[in-house]
Amino acid sequence: DGGITQSPKYLFRKEGQNVTLSCEQNLNHDAMYWYRQDPGQGLRLIYYSQIVNDFQKGDIAEGYSVSREKKESFPLTVTSAQKNPTAFYLCASSFRSWAGTEAFFGQGTRLTVV
Amino acid sequence: SQQGEEDPQALSIQEGENATMNCSYKTSINNLQWYRQNSGRGLVHLILIRSNEREKHSGRLRVTLDTSKKSSSLLITASRAADTASYFCATENYGGSQGNLIFGKGTKLSVKP
Repeated sequence: DGGITQSPKYLFRKEGQNVTLSCEQNLNHDAMYWYRQDPGQGLRLIYYSQIVNDFQKGDIAEGYSVSREKKESFPLTVTSAQKNPTAFYLCASSFRSWAGTEAFFGQGTRLTVV
Repeated sequence: SQQGEEDPQALSIQEGENATMNCSYKTSINNLQWYRQNSGRGLVHLILIRSNEREKHSGRLRVTLDTSKKSSSLLITASRAADTASYFCATENYGGSQGNLIFGKGTKLSVKP
């Protein structure tokens, strides 16, 4: 059963704590993306990766970090430097990032600072 | 940077009516895509239209693209209560960062039974 899986579905972070959101895909896609969604703001790109061991910053990368050690996995770490991390985080993947193909999304992780 | 801007922000219609949503963008594009999002869930791809295409159909969906006006529209015909969701346009820009899909803020569609 192919797809893209995000975990956990809900995550709570204390002030000053780093947390890591998981994103795994078994679609054999080259490109993977992380978006942040706030109410009324649409989706904003945090980081994206076109190939293993390579990634680029999106529009709002500050306070976030990623790694792409395996094709299937693209974890996102929300660091303590991100001052307003409460949001809905969406991971996506696509087969070829330059070919105009559709992006497949995970079901999202809702992060709340407590 | 937000590229696409959907209009209206919210739309409420009765079942059986048609729903039209518009998207405007700013720079040259390779393609434009429409996605749907049910509340609290991930996005689902609906349709992709390339910059050299003017119209595309998929089931009850009809998408048009006018590159001279930098705008696109999504028409859902004979709407159903199950079509209730937010709809986003996304552009993949010509000459921009490869694979960087830029999303608008979305249109929230409510279809009343």
